[in-house]
Amino acid sequence: GESVGLHLPTLSVQEGDNSIINCAYSNSASDYFIWYKQESGKGPQFIIDIRSNMDKRQGQRVTVLLNKTVKHLSLQIAATQPGDSAVYFCAENISNTGKLIFGQGTTLQVKP
Amino acid sequence: DTGVSQDPRHKITKRGQNVTFRCDPISEHNRLYWYRQTLGQGPEFLTYFQNEAQLEKSRLLSDRFSAERPKGSFSTLEIQRTEQGDSAMYLCASSFEGSYGYTFGSGTRLTVV
Repeated sequence: GESVGLHLPTLSVQEGDNSIINCAYSNSASDYFIWYKQESGKGPQFIIDIRSNMDKRQGQRVTVLLNKTVKHLSLQIAATQPGDSAVYFCAENISNTGKLIFGQGTTLQVKP
Repeated sequence: DTGVSQDPRHKITKRGQNVTFRCDPISEHNRLYWYRQTLGQGPEFLTYFQNEAQLEKSRLLSDRFSAERPKGSFSTLEIQRTEQGDSAMYLCASSFEGSYGYTFGSGTRLTVV
């Protein structure tokens, strides 16, 4: 069915370490993927996106990797900071639809 | 124009009452989306507009829910005869057509007692 899921509900990392948040999706027709960050009491905030014709995209301190063979998406955060503590969602767009489908989220906790 | 605005931020209502939420998108964006989010879950799609046309509605949007975007600018989401299961965060987002990098508002948290 149409679903996007995340492997771990909570990830705890030490400040300064790198974080990797994973996501599995099920729809082969998905052509666009986005990572969002949501802090408590706020709406989701766009972090980085990737199209299905790419396998890697880098931003500032963040990298998204896409493996279409196993339908897997990951978000890597370099030198994790306390301000990175939040819930992270992956979302997919199925080709020719007008909406994003979100996964359940991974809570990132950064220990000082 | 500093982003997507939603009003009110919080709403507590008694079961059976009607509620209406408002969303003001980024002015240049022609697409507007409504999502619902319950605690610990990702946002669930409800409906979206392109300009004033409502292009898709989720099966989650029962007959008690109605959304409008009469002039292609702000939108309202009305829930009639609220039920406790309607308690959730209602998120609005906007984007340009063809872009999925939505900008979300801070949401309206609805509590039905």
